[in-house]
Amino acid sequence: AQTVTQSQPEMSVQEAETVTLSCTYDTSESDYYLFWYKQPPSRQMILVIRQEAYKQQNATENRFSVNFQKAAKSFSLKISDSQLGDAAMYFCAYRNTFYNQGGKLIFGQGTELSVKP
Amino acid sequence: DGGITQSPKYLFRKEGQNVTLSCEQNLNHDAMYWYRQDPGQGLRLIYYSQIVNDFQKGDIAEGYSVSREKKESFPLTVTSAQKNPTAFYLCASSIRDRGTEAFFGQGTRLTVV
Repeated sequence: AQTVTQSQPEMSVQEAETVTLSCTYDTSESDYYLFWYKQPPSRQMILVIRQEAYKQQNATENRFSVNFQKAAKSFSLKISDSQLGDAAMYFCAYRNTFYNQGGKLIFGQGTELSVKP
Repeated sequence: DGGITQSPKYLFRKEGQNVTLSCEQNLNHDAMYWYRQDPGQGLRLIYYSQIVNDFQKGDIAEGYSVSREKKESFPLTVTSAQKNPTAFYLCASSIRDRGTEAFFGQGTRLTVV
């Protein structure tokens, strides 16, 4: 069974600084997808960034970028120029293809990020 | 507006009662998911479905049941067999396409009284 592990329950960053959130996963599949979601206090889940396993290039979305290490099964999120609005719970997620277990989507335990002004 | 609607937002249940949480989407998504969120445990998968009239158990399906009679709807019933049902429940949906993310509803907070 696939698992996703986030080993940092809490992280803190100074406004305008850079922070990296860690995520590791376990799978025997070669084709899958990885995501980072943000959950602010409203509890609405918001997609931050996605990565297809078959793509070697790391995904970027403005201030957000990932370091995808397929062999190491690692998928970290880097937030540059941190803003107060980045404070939230961040979840790493893994999804199979729909041809394998119907696109089962599983999440890590989350990392609570606080941003200090 | 397209989206996922969960209702009610807050739900109170007496011990021994079954309750049903509603999840409706008008995004024409094939796949739908139910998650339970507890403090410090992230989102745990209860059930998921990729087509009408078919669904699979997730990691914590015991004490829960679902149906998928329509593409738009995926209700979750929390039965009396669920020993600790107090939690925040999230419904999500996605299309069956490579790399497509899941979209989430606003959640239902269930409390046993």
